[in-house]
Amino acid sequence: KQEVTQIPAALSVPEGENLVLNCSFTDSAIYNLQWFRQDPGKGLTSLLLIQSSQREQTSGRLNASLDKSSGRSTLYIAASQPGDSATYLCAQTGGLGDKIIFGKGTRLHILP
Amino acid sequence: DVKVTQSSRYLVKRTGEKVFLECVQDMDHENMFWYRQDPGLGLRLIYFSYDVKMKEKGDIPEGYSVSREKKERFSLILESASTNQTSMYLCASSFRGLDTEAFFGQGTRLTVV
Repeated sequence: KQEVTQIPAALSVPEGENLVLNCSFTDSAIYNLQWFRQDPGKGLTSLLLIQSSQREQTSGRLNASLDKSSGRSTLYIAASQPGDSATYLCAQTGGLGDKIIFGKGTRLHILP
Repeated sequence: DVKVTQSSRYLVKRTGEKVFLECVQDMDHENMFWYRQDPGLGLRLIYFSYDVKMKEKGDIPEGYSVSREKKERFSLILESASTNQTSMYLCASSFRGLDTEAFFGQGTRLTVV
């Protein structure tokens, strides 16, 4: 059974620091890896999608990488801000009969 | 911009009521999904539809049914609501195929009393 794991479940860092969120998956035949942000009580906002032929994607202060051989993806956030406080989820998308498999997320708190 | 719209942000229903949650997407996506999200359990797939009138059970289909009569609309039905169905419900859509991106609605917080 394919699984996606995110460790740690929660993380607190001071404002201004660079940080890395981790995502690991068991299926080496993964197609896409997608990162989402979720604010409390809200839906999921897509941040970055790394497609099967790519190794990383960047958007502003965010950079996501994908290493299929090691079964890992990372989301790098530069110069963190209090507004970055949210839960970040990673998911396998595409393939797998088109189903989406989620990790349980990392709850990030940026300390002012 | 892709839009996935859920009909309600908040709903309060009584035990035993029949409840309809509606989801509409405007990008001509083939795939549509219903998830529920509970603290500590993450997102769990209830049902998945890959075409009009086509559906597959997800991990937790018990107590739920779905309807997809038109490509843009996917409905989740709670035949007889129970208190253990109190949850956040999230709808998503995507194109079929390998290099596809998923988009989510804003969520419906359902409370069954």
